[in-house]
Amino acid sequence: GAGVSQSPSNKVTEKGKDVELRCDPISGHTALYWYRQSLGQGLEFLIYFQGNSAPDKSGLPSDRFSAERTGGSVSTLTIQRTQQEDSAVYLCASSLGPPSGGQETQYFGPGTRLLVL
Amino acid sequence: RKEVEQDPGPFNVPEGATVAFNCTYSNSASQSFFWYRQDCRKEPKLLMSVYSSGNEDGRFTAQLNRASQYISLLIRDSKLSDSATYLCVVNALPDSSYKLIFGSGTRLLVRP
Repeated sequence: GAGVSQSPSNKVTEKGKDVELRCDPISGHTALYWYRQSLGQGLEFLIYFQGNSAPDKSGLPSDRFSAERTGGSVSTLTIQRTQQEDSAVYLCASSLGPPSGGQETQYFGPGTRLLVL
Repeated sequence: RKEVEQDPGPFNVPEGATVAFNCTYSNSASQSFFWYRQDCRKEPKLLMSVYSSGNEDGRFTAQLNRASQYISLLIRDSKLSDSATYLCVVNALPDSSYKLIFGSGTRLLVRP
């Protein structure tokens, strides 16, 4: 079946502009995660959505970052007033459910490569 | 100190060699442990979960030492296709079981 998809695959923007990154999780997956990965670094947790519960936003680096998940499916990560240090690969992942009984395996999308000039 | 530490490598080994990667984690409350594989410019993919008793999947063996907060991955009979970055991953209990902490990865190069 279809995996996690993300768009755009690449985004080049100017400092100060806003960007929106989109994630389509695997159908039926209730959990959705956003991470970012800077060059040569591990993944940094940003935000977690589980069903209709309030999201865990504890990983968002600043108030310029926000995310929403409409209808429990598609998610959008928005970065306002982008800075050069926001340049990274933004990865979305989904899992069947919260960690219990083997549902926690996270399946990643191909990522959006963001470059802020 | 990083929450999950790995030797970045690269480990450069010939085909057929056995290679081992180590990882240490700082959160003694962590309950879930994984190895992910990430190919160049690709997304991470789950390689295997790591269980307390140790587990094996074909040429891959994972071990967990809770006392030393140490995880290992052993690859036997290396193939060219094993060349990738291997990410050690633990969950962030007690804060949240779903939050995964990723190491920076160990790069493996298998040469002919």
